[in-house]
This record gives sequence, C-alpha cells and structure tokens, in this order.
Amino acid sequence: GESVGLHLPTLSVQEGDNSIINCAYSNSASDYFIWYKQESGKGPQFIIDIRSNMDKRQGQRVTVLLNKTVKHLSLQIAATQPGDSAVYFCAENILGGGADGLTFGKGTHLIIQP
Amino acid sequence: ETGVTQTPRHLVMGMTNKKSLKCEQHLGHNAMYWYKQSAKKPLELMFVYSLEERVENNSVPSRFSPECPNSSHLFLHLHTLQPEDSALYLCASSQDLSAAHSGNTIYFGEGSWLTVV
Repeated sequence: GESVGLHLPTLSVQEGDNSIINCAYSNSASDYFIWYKQESGKGPQFIIDIRSNMDKRQGQRVTVLLNKTVKHLSLQIAATQPGDSAVYFCAENILGGGADGLTFGKGTHLIIQP
Repeated sequence: ETGVTQTPRHLVMGMTNKKSLKCEQHLGHNAMYWYKQSAKKPLELMFVYSLEERVENNSVPSRFSPECPNSSHLFLHLHTLQPEDSALYLCASSQDLSAAHSGNTIYFGEGSWLTVV
C-alpha cells in the first residue's frame, strides 16, 4: 500500500495569499522527504527537500515543515503567484534506501485565483 | 530545462504497433529511471538502471522493454500495448542510486504522453 498521501486533492487560494499543502506518511523509518511541483504538461520539478534530523527548512518563498511525532510534512508557499498553479506532491525514502526507493504521494492541485 | 530530454512528447499507437520512447540526460548521471504516471495515481517506478545495468524491474509486463545502451541514453520499447497503458511516461536520472541520501535528487524529463488506441 501507499505510505505517503496528501489530505486534499485540490487547494484553491487567492493570489498573494500563503498556501499550505499537507502530506502524511506512515513509515517511521523514512528519513528523507522531497516536495515536487508538476506544472501542466511537464514533468515533476524538485522544489525542496528535508532530512529527518531537521524540523524546518526554507527556500525561496517556500518552507517545508516536518513533524516526525505525527508523521506529517507540509509545504508552505508564501505570497502565491499565478505561476505557482500546479500539482504538488511529496515523496519519502526509507533509511538505507536509494533513489529507487522513493515513494510518491498522489498530489494536491494548487489553484491560484486572481 | 532539467537536463533530461524525452522524445517524442506525444505518441498515439495502435495495440499492434511497435514504438519506442527515448530519453537522454546531459547531467553526467549514472542512474536512470522510467516512471509511469496515470491519472489520479502516484508515480509508479517501472525500471531502474545504474551504470547501464538494470537493477530493478517492478513487475512490469513484458510488453514494456527497456534498453540502456550507455549512461546517457535510455529507451522504452513498446509492443502490443493495451489501452490501460495510456499514461505519461517519465524518464528521470540521478547522480547515482544513493542520490536520495547524498543531498542530490532525481531530475525528471517532461514526459512522453502515450495514448494506446
């Protein structure tokens, strides 16, 4: 079965607002997590990653939060722009696993309203 | 531009046809992958190649046949496919199989949209 999943299939936000996309995982051994963005007609694009020894990591307008206690991962996008419209999905890997061990979630479709 | 190029971008084929998808990476990576992405499903790993050797085949039907002639090129040969094989096929590469733990990550191509009629 799938060990990584997203709570909401679609998230609609106003342009300029902050977006929060959530992800739950069930494998306690997972120690590496990645967020991907997939625009329409394109392949997934790496956004940000985080290892289990961290709780928070920031990038440009994006922040990933990891709560290992409840096995929850979130992606925060600040001041969303039209170009942020895409499907976002998380991926996890287990300790000792290689890149071929990544397990992907189904994705959340982020819609930015003007 | 991710450095991973896939051709063709769109392919329509009949169930009796033979076609191939091509992937080329310009990143000097040693590992390459084929993924299948169907509507409303997570990415499904199909094949993994490391240094041109197949290291994983996730119970993929034999009508899909991968080929990795060198570390920069990966093919997916298609033969007698079924309509349910219609999907986006993504090629990806990483520095090596342990990329997920070394801080590197997987780089995806833009995919080949396959429609089987």
